[in-house]
Amino acid sequence: EVQLVESGGGLVQPGGSLRLSCAASGFTFSSYWMHWVRQVPGKGLLWVSRINSDGSNTDYADSVKGRFTISRDNDKNTLYLQMNSLRADDTAVYYCARPKEPALRNAMDVWGQGTTVTVSS
Amino acid sequence: QSVLTQPPSASGTPGQRVTISCSGSSSNIGSNNVYWYQQLPGTAPELLIYKNNQRPSGVPDRFSGSKSGTSGSLAISGLRSEDEADYYCAAWDDSLGGYVFGTGTKVTVL
Repeated sequence: EVQLVESGGGLVQPGGSLRLSCAASGFTFSSYWMHWVRQVPGKGLLWVSRINSDGSNTDYADSVKGRFTISRDNDKNTLYLQMNSLRADDTAVYYCARPKEPALRNAMDVWGQGTTVTVSS
Repeated sequence: QSVLTQPPSASGTPGQRVTISCSGSSSNIGSNNVYWYQQLPGTAPELLIYKNNQRPSGVPDRFSGSKSGTSGSLAISGLRSEDEADYYCAAWDDSLGGYVFGTGTKVTVL
């Protein structure tokens, strides 16, 4: 079964750091671009970042550029999001997502269950 | 604020056809593919349409997508109660160098 499982969320103070993980199983992880998307409960979806299959190419939303770093370990089938200098408006549910096919880098077809990040003092 | 604009709500009775618009610009929809996602309450989004009008396997053919110029559109025909959800369009934006989601449309089945 194709599956993505996020972890690492929690409560952190403003200015703090957190690392999210996304464990992939049931498919050839190293063949796919991967994404992070976040959502404030009750609000819309916001794309955060993506990384190509070998980790050599990354893109970020302007709101997180310079603060967040996406990375992956293809040997461990795991995607990461290092979040630094966290702000209250980073509070959200964070999803990792996989495209439908390796060639369709932006058609996010498989989603994790999400992990909640709360930035508050 | 999103660069892709959708109506906040849409509604219809069972069996009706509902259409949701997604207005963008030359840097996103005008030059890239449009995607549509459905999000049921309390769940992760699901891909409904990719590459403007393609349906993943398992998505009913009641759902159809189209693109014209800088706008995309999602149509739901034969509306059913289980279609009550939030719907988001999305596209890559060349100017922003990032993926953008629409503002979202809540579909209500009356």
